[in-house]
Amino acid sequence: QVQVVQSGAEVKKPGASVKVSCKASGYTFVNYGFSWVRQAPGQGLEWMGWISAYNGNTLYAQKFQDRVTLTTDTSTGTAYMELRSLRSDDTAVYYCARDRVGRTGALYWGQGTLVTVSS
Amino acid sequence: DIVLTQSPDSLAVSLGERATINCKSSQTILNSSNNKNSLAWYQQKPGQPPKLLIYWASSRESGVPERFSASGSGTHFTLTISSLQAEDVASYYCQQYHSAPHSFGQGTKLEIK
Repeated sequence: QVQVVQSGAEVKKPGASVKVSCKASGYTFVNYGFSWVRQAPGQGLEWMGWISAYNGNTLYAQKFQDRVTLTTDTSTGTAYMELRSLRSDDTAVYYCARDRVGRTGALYWGQGTLVTVSS
Repeated sequence: DIVLTQSPDSLAVSLGERATINCKSSQTILNSSNNKNSLAWYQQKPGQPPKLLIYWASSRESGVPERFSASGSGTHFTLTISSLQAEDVASYYCQQYHSAPHSFGQGTKLEIK
């Protein structure tokens, strides 16, 4: 069965960077892409970007374009999201989610990673 | 960028009654290759990640109860729960995957009346 497991909670200071991992299993990794979505405390879902595990092609929300990098490691079946120059308003739960077939939505979600930015 | 606006922001419905959530897109999200709208609906319960309910605006994901249905065309879309169950208490989000950024609506919080 498909599983998506994210790395643990992080506490960072303003200006630092964070790299969240998302390990997938139970299927052929390169056949699907991953979306990254964040959710600030008590707020809605915010789409950050998407990466193809097949060829590394990426799409980014313009809001994050200059600060986020999505990558994958096909040898380990892991996707990564790095966010730089962290601010207090980056405090959120960050989710990775594997595509449904045909990129018609996000079907398999990780459990979420809480990133807290505080001085 | 495509903006999705959901209504209402919150909704209280009695058990067994119908719940309807709306999602309006700022522009067309029609996929010209298959004439389907690139819209998904998700359910999110507190402390959990979202769960995909619907894709292509009206196709129910495997395992989703039949009381969940969705429809729509053009720029107006609807998610309907035909007979509300206690376990349906959650927030619901629409998302378009027509063009990046794949924006979400702001969410609708569904409660029991």
